[in-house]
Amino acid sequence: KQEVTQIPAALSVPEGENLVLNCSFTDSAIYNLQWFRQDPGKGLTSLLLIQSSQREQTSGRLNASLDKSSGRSTLYIAASQPGDSATYLCAGRGGTYKYIFGTGTRLKVLA
Amino acid sequence: DAGITQSPRYKITETGRQVTLMCHQTWSHSYMFWYRQDLGHGLRLIYYSAAADITDKGEVPDGYVVSRSKTENFPLTLESATRSQTSVYFCASSATGGAGEKLFFGSGTQLSVL
Repeated sequence: KQEVTQIPAALSVPEGENLVLNCSFTDSAIYNLQWFRQDPGKGLTSLLLIQSSQREQTSGRLNASLDKSSGRSTLYIAASQPGDSATYLCAGRGGTYKYIFGTGTRLKVLA
Repeated sequence: DAGITQSPRYKITETGRQVTLMCHQTWSHSYMFWYRQDLGHGLRLIYYSAAADITDKGEVPDGYVVSRSKTENFPLTLESATRSQTSVYFCASSATGGAGEKLFFGSGTQLSVL
């Protein structure tokens, strides 16, 4: 059974710092992977989707990578801002469309 | 408006009652999903659907029923609500494969079972 772990569970950084969020899977047979942002009391917003044939995706200050051999993904946030404060979740799927989510990393960027 | 909408936004019910949560999307996405979100468990998949009249179980399907007679609607029914089903429920949809597989989420339904 696929399990997804996100480390750290919570993170507090000063504004402007570059940071890395980690996501690991017990079953490295990951087909596609997505990173999401969730603000308090809101739904999830997809940030980046890494397809099976890709190793990374970039959008603005965000870069996500996927290493299938090790079952790990990282989300890199450059020059963090207070508006980046949110919970970040990763989710991956195998051969079916069942996306399995991690429990998230709660990020706080201090001004 | 285009998008994915859930109703109601908040619901309070009693144990043993039947409750139906609604989900509607306007993109004609093939896939639709129901997740529940609980502290300490993250999001867990309840059911998903690949197309109208095609549904499959997720991680935690017990106590829930789904149907999908139309592509745009995917209601979730709690046949006899229990306190353990108190949670925030999210519906999501996606197109099929490739870059279109990005998941779009509704705003959620906060359900309290007393």
